[in-house]
Amino acid sequence: DTAVSQTPKYLVTQMGNDKSIKCEQNLGHDTMYWYKQDSKKFLKIMFSYNNKELIINETVPNRFSPKSPDKAHLNLHINSLELGDSAVYFCASSQGALSFYEQYFGPGTRLTVT
Amino acid sequence: AQSVTQLDSQVPVFEEAPVELRCNYSSSVSVYLFWYVQYPNQGLQLLLKYLSGSTLVKGINGFEAEFNKSQTSFHLRKPSVHISDTAEYFCAVSTPSGNTPLVFGKGTRLSVIA
Repeated sequence: DTAVSQTPKYLVTQMGNDKSIKCEQNLGHDTMYWYKQDSKKFLKIMFSYNNKELIINETVPNRFSPKSPDKAHLNLHINSLELGDSAVYFCASSQGALSFYEQYFGPGTRLTVT
Repeated sequence: AQSVTQLDSQVPVFEEAPVELRCNYSSSVSVYLFWYVQYPNQGLQLLLKYLSGSTLVKGINGFEAEFNKSQTSFHLRKPSVHISDTAEYFCAVSTPSGNTPLVFGKGTRLSVIA
């Protein structure tokens, strides 16, 4: 039974399109995250939600909009996709928002923008 | 702001040999330190973490790390590696204050050679 799942696993699309990535966790956690991992494996946080409220919003373009319909789901919508958005996007969750909690990562979504 | 430097981007080592993956951090306040592992085509998984107390931290799969405040280091060690340890290893730092995000290093690729 997958703890943190993401769909789709692969996403290939053209510049200018709008796409969404979905994330679900069945761990009962109240905090969820989106990370971006670039081609050099560098991992950077984008957003964090706690109990459906945005608590971390790094300097991410407005084209990226997270949505948390409930504590178990955190989706990422991307408008007007650009070549530089190509990356692997990871969803993660933790028991709480404080930084000492272990984060559980999903398997990632590889986004390729052509 | 906190930062992490992983001094080696790639570390090849023979099976059953010991290994040390180096991590240095920068912070003006107290820190929490983490090592995560990413196996090929998977999400990240926590190996171990230092929050406070004993500076020698033991983790899963036979790994351990030592927190050295004077040297601002948190090096990861394993006395005898296996082929299955081949993966990307990430050091990360956060602080005890509020919802500070994890800041990751650029990763070290450990390749175990038979």
